[in-house]
Amino acid sequence: QKEVEQDPGPLSVPEGAIVSLNCTYSNSAFQYFMWYRQYSRKGPELLMYTYSSGNKEDGRFTAQVDKSSKYISLFIRDSQPSDSATYLCAMSAGGSAGGTSYGKLTFGQGTILTVHP
Amino acid sequence: DAGITQSPRHKVTETGTPVTLRCHQTENHRYMYWYRQDPGHGLRLIHYSYGVKDTDKGEVSDGYSVSRSKTEDFLLTLESATSSQTSVYFCAISEYAGVVYEQYFGPGTRLTVT
Repeated sequence: QKEVEQDPGPLSVPEGAIVSLNCTYSNSAFQYFMWYRQYSRKGPELLMYTYSSGNKEDGRFTAQVDKSSKYISLFIRDSQPSDSATYLCAMSAGGSAGGTSYGKLTFGQGTILTVHP
Repeated sequence: DAGITQSPRHKVTETGTPVTLRCHQTENHRYMYWYRQDPGHGLRLIHYSYGVKDTDKGEVSDGYSVSRSKTEDFLLTLESATSSQTSVYFCAISEYAGVVYEQYFGPGTRLTVT
């Protein structure tokens, strides 16, 4: 079983829809949770991150973490065709400077999202 | 884009030949990583570096070696390329940002082993 599971989709929605992307994980040591967006034939770019449980909002994007259920989500409101991309969740066990995690991330498989006009 | 370049951007090589991919950064970040990306697997860590000459293995390190002789350069070598190493390779850099290590990715190298 993979440490991080993500539904690969593909997910196709109409413009303006609310999109929900999800990941589950098995490693209780994960404390830092990131979402990356990757356009076709490009490198992933960091969208946002959260620490421990709770919500974080950034414009049309909301990241949610439920550590008790080992479940994280990314919501995209008023989705646009420019949001069409692969979305990857990533997790890390440690974040403190000098810690032995060295910033290593464990990624989900990625969800392919298409927003059509 | 973060100051990360990868070279070459595309390469086709034959089975059994050695291949070296280069990652170059201008951000002076301490940590550097090599990933491979394959359909159905997401990004998997091959090797990482936590300083000059300090490297360690990741999840899928068999058949790969790395070297870091300068802060700005991290080299990935496929000692004897195999068809299973056909993939897209991404380099990433990170630095501690006060709460979390923010990791930034290069544009990728598309490698085909025939």
